[in-house]
Amino acid sequence: EVQLVESGGGLVQPGRSLRLSCAASGFTFGDHAMHWVRQVPGKGLEWVSGINWSSGRRGYADSVKGRFTISRDNAKKYLYLQMNSLRPEDTAFYYCARDPSSEPWYFDFWGRGTLVSVSS
Amino acid sequence: EIVMTQSPATLSVSPGERATLSCRASQSVSSNLAWYQQTPGQAPRLLIYGASTRAPGIPARFSGSGSGTEFTLTISSLQSEDFAIYYCQQYSNWLTFGGGTKVEIK
Repeated sequence: EVQLVESGGGLVQPGRSLRLSCAASGFTFGDHAMHWVRQVPGKGLEWVSGINWSSGRRGYADSVKGRFTISRDNAKKYLYLQMNSLRPEDTAFYYCARDPSSEPWYFDFWGRGTLVSVSS
Repeated sequence: EIVMTQSPATLSVSPGERATLSCRASQSVSSNLAWYQQTPGQAPRLLIYGASTRAPGIPARFSGSGSGTEFTLTISSLQSEDFAIYYCQQYSNWLTFGGGTKVEIK
């Protein structure tokens, strides 16, 4: 069974940093691109960042470019999101999502999400 | 960045009726388009990819069409479990979502 479990969310002050992790199991992690998607409660979905199977391609939404960094460890089956210079508008649930392809396309499995709150 | 625009924002439909949802891209995305369904408190579920291919386990009442900049998701006969929010997403140039269409009971 495919499982994606996010962790690392919490309350953080503006300007500070946070690192999210996603533990994957139930599939060959290194065969799939992976993504982070966020959602403000009651609002729509926003793709944040994606990474291909080899880490050779990484993409970011304009809203986080230069502040967030996506990475992965295929041996440990982990996906990460380093979030720096956090802003109140980064407050949202952050979901880890699997791509059915090795290159970034779309999402076929999602985690349950971890809440990031940016506030003083 | 490719901007995806969904319409209408809310669609009121009676059970058993047909629902037609639209998604427009700011530039051509070819057939690199997916549709998702999200119910309250749940993660999104993949419905359609490649603009018209149903994901595994998705009922035949869901169908997708279109290419280039104009896309449609049709639900042929709405069931109670279909009242939800639907999102389109392009993957031609990285990824972006539309703002969503809420399908509510009329």
